[in-house]
Order: sequence, then structure tokens, then C-alpha cells
Amino acid sequence: EAQVTQNPRYLITVTGKKLTVTCSQNMNHEYMSWYRQDPGLGLRQIYYSMNVEVTDKGDVPEGYKVSRKEKRNFPLILESPSPNQTSLYFCASRGAGSNYGYTFGSGTRLTVV
Amino acid sequence: GENVEQHPSTLSVQEGDSAVIKCTYSDSASNYFPWYKQELGKGPQLIIDIRSNVGEKKDQRIAVTLNKTAKHFSLHITETQPEDSAVYFCAASRITGGGNKLTFGTGTQLKVEL
Repeated sequence: EAQVTQNPRYLITVTGKKLTVTCSQNMNHEYMSWYRQDPGLGLRQIYYSMNVEVTDKGDVPEGYKVSRKEKRNFPLILESPSPNQTSLYFCASRGAGSNYGYTFGSGTRLTVV
Repeated sequence: GENVEQHPSTLSVQEGDSAVIKCTYSDSASNYFPWYKQELGKGPQLIIDIRSNVGEKKDQRIAVTLNKTAKHFSLHITETQPEDSAVYFCAASRITGGGNKLTFGTGTQLKVEL
């Protein structure tokens, strides 16, 4: 089944403790993105990647890092999480063809206390 | 940058009625407008999209219309059913060689009542 897989689904952590949210897609997609979803704000792009080793900032990149060492994986790294990063996170991917729609993962709900 | 406004934030309709959600965008260079449906506990799922060279697109009970001059686009759901209850997001994007960044609206909670 074609899908984007995120792990973990739920995570509670403490301020300052480094964490990584993994994202993997099995569709050989070139483009991958991370979004955060907050009430009343919709989805905002954090980082995106156009292919292996090619990444760029989205609208809200502060406090986050990403890497794209393999085409299928696009992990989101929070080096020193803070409470304002408590949110629902989504990874998404799409291919380089004329189908411009993104496939989203099921989300990771992160709570930073 | 692009800014997308979406209305209404909540919408309640009776089963069988139509539902309309409206969005406006600010960047006249945007040329791709998808709509996503998000059910509780799940990620957004693409339900329909439209390119700027088309004024209307329909897929069964769902249709999207685009007015480039006014910079607004709308989602129309006819003969609503309880399973249509979800949060709907519009988005706008400029398709370039580097991919397409989606700018989302703030979402509409649609409730279809029996």
C-alpha cells in the first residue's frame, strides 16, 4: 500500500530533550515536506525537500532541523524542544510528475512540558 | 508570500443539503488549488484539485470553482452525507521546477446532521 509513515504517533517529552520524528514514504517520491497544525492556524510548512540532500526552509523553520540522506526518509529533528513546539505534525510527499497532490502521513502529536 | 483565507470556520447542514466553502488567495501567480479532507485522527487527504487554466472541475458529488480575476475558489458538496463530516482545508500553490509549496487556509469544520 502506498503510504507515508510517521513515528511515533504520540510523544510527550520535556523541554530541551532532543527528539526525532521519523517519516518514510514507499512511493519513490522526490518531494517531501513537514507541516505543523495548530488550532485556528491551519497547516504551516516547516521544511521541505526537493530530493536527496536538497532541503529548504518553509514558513516556520525556527527550532527544527531536517535531513534527506535517502529518498524515502525525511526525519524532523528538534534539538532543544520548547513548549511552543507542542503541536500536531504531518509529513507529506509527492512525485515529480504532473500530479501535484501531496500524500500525508497520519500525524505525530507532540507535547513538550 | 501567499495568504489564504477560508470561510466559514464551521458549517452545519442537514443530510442531503449542499455545502459550500469559500477561499480567497493573495498571490496572483498561484496556479494550483487543492482541497483536503481531514477526518478525526487522520492526516489530510486530497479530495479534488484545480489548475488555474480551468474554471471548474467536478468529481461525483464534489466540485471546485475558480475565479482567477477575483482570486477566490470554492468547494461545493452536493447531497451531503454523514460521512462528509470532517475538517476541510483549501490551499494555494505556485507550481515551479522546485516543487510546489502549499499555503493552507485555516480549515472548515463541516457537520452533516441527520
